[in-house]
Amino acid sequence: QKEVEQDPGPLSVPEGAIVSLNCTYSNSAFQYFMWYRQYSRKGPELLMYTYSSGNKEDGRFTAQVDKSSKYISLFIRDSQPSDSATYLCAMRAPRTGRRALTFGSGTRLQVQP
Amino acid sequence: DTGVSQDPRHKITKRGQNVTFRCDPISEHNRLYWYRQTLGQGPEFLTYFQNEAQLEKSRLLSDRFSAERPKGSFSTLEIQRTEQGDSAMYLCASSPGQGASYNEQFFGPGTRLTVL
Repeated sequence: QKEVEQDPGPLSVPEGAIVSLNCTYSNSAFQYFMWYRQYSRKGPELLMYTYSSGNKEDGRFTAQVDKSSKYISLFIRDSQPSDSATYLCAMRAPRTGRRALTFGSGTRLQVQP
Repeated sequence: DTGVSQDPRHKITKRGQNVTFRCDPISEHNRLYWYRQTLGQGPEFLTYFQNEAQLEKSRLLSDRFSAERPKGSFSTLEIQRTEQGDSAMYLCASSPGQGASYNEQFFGPGTRLTVL
C-alpha cells in the first residue's frame, strides 16, 4: 500500500463548478502538506502549503487538512477550463535532515467550457 | 525568469549511453532536490542537497546515478549506462533555507529522458 493515495480520475466538471480533490495518507508523522498543479509535460507548480491541521484559503483555492482522519482536500471554486490539469498532493514529516516530499499519483481534472 | 531552470528539456539516448542533466535553482535557495516522474505517477524523490552537501539519497538512486552540486549553486545529475527503465521526467526543485517559504519546494520544467 502506498503512503499517499489519490484517485487518478479523470474528474470531469462543467465550468463554474466547485471541485473537490482529496488524498489520504497512512504516515501519522506527516505535518507539512502541499498541493501542486501540473500541466501536461510541465513541472509541478506549487498552489497551496499548509502546516498541520486546519484550513487555508487563497483566492479560488481552499486547502483542508484533517489529521485525525489522515485526509487532505483541495477545493476549487468557480472552476475554469484553465484549471484543467493534474493535481498532486505532497507531504512531509518534520524530521531533521529529511526533506523528501512524498507525492500522491495525481488526479486529472477536466473542466468543460 | 527567476524560477528553477533545467537543461536540456528533452534528451533521447540509446541504451548504454551516459547522460547528464543540469539544474539551476532559484537564486539564493540553498536547498536543491532531484525527483523522477514516470507517466501517471507522482514525482519520486531521488536526492537532496543543502549547499554543496548531499544530505539525503533515495534507494531509487542506484550506483548508476550520481548527483553533484560542487559550489552550492547549480547541480548535475548523471546517469551511466542508461536503461530503458530510466525513461522518465527528471525534475529539479529548490527551496530557501529559512523564512516563511523554507518548507516549500519550487519545481523546474523538468528534463524528459527517452532511452531507446
